[in-house]
Amino acid sequence: AQTVTQSQPEMSVQEAETVTLSCTYDTSENNYYLFWYKQPPSRQMILVIRQEAYKQQNATENRFSVNFQKAAKSFSLKISDSQLGDTAMYFCAFMKRKKGEQAKGAQKLVFGQGTRLTINP
Amino acid sequence: DSGVTQTPKHLITATGQRVTLRCSPRSGDLSVYWYQQSLDQGLQFLIHYYNGEERAKGNILERFSAQQFPDLHSELNLSSLELGDSALYFCASSVGLAGVEKTQYFGPGTRLLVL
Repeated sequence: AQTVTQSQPEMSVQEAETVTLSCTYDTSENNYYLFWYKQPPSRQMILVIRQEAYKQQNATENRFSVNFQKAAKSFSLKISDSQLGDTAMYFCAFMKRKKGEQAKGAQKLVFGQGTRLTINP
Repeated sequence: DSGVTQTPKHLITATGQRVTLRCSPRSGDLSVYWYQQSLDQGLQFLIHYYNGEERAKGNILERFSAQQFPDLHSELNLSSLELGDSALYFCASSVGLAGVEKTQYFGPGTRLLVL
């Protein structure tokens, strides 16, 4: 079974600073996806960024980027020029990747415990 | 807005009762997933439907059941409710076709409070 660990329950930084959230995972799979989801006070789950394990290049989305280290099973999220609106819970998640008929099977997301990030003015 | 809708947004009920949560996936999405978010268990996968067919079960109690209808909307039925069932229930959808990206897009959730 896969497990996802976020070792930082809470983090706090000043606006405009850069912050890095950590995530490690444990799996015997070779093909999978990794995600960061954001959950602001509204409780909506919002996709921040996605990484395919077969891609060596780290994913980036505007101010958000990841550092994906497959051998180390590490997947950290870097937020540059942090903004007040980035205040939220951040969840790291793992999903197996399947093809063909198996793709109709279970691709459940396995979540970490979350990191509560506060951006201070 | 993810395009996934869930109703109702809030539900308050008593122990022993039965409730139904409804989810409409994004247009064109065939897969629907249900997740439960509680303080003590975190985010847990409950069940997955693909084009009307149950594909996988996670940590779903026997008191809970779900189905996906021909129009692809899904319902999660919770019965004999207990205090511990109070949680935020999310529905997510994805395309679910072979070889196509599998990102799951979440609805706004239904907050269930059992008194």
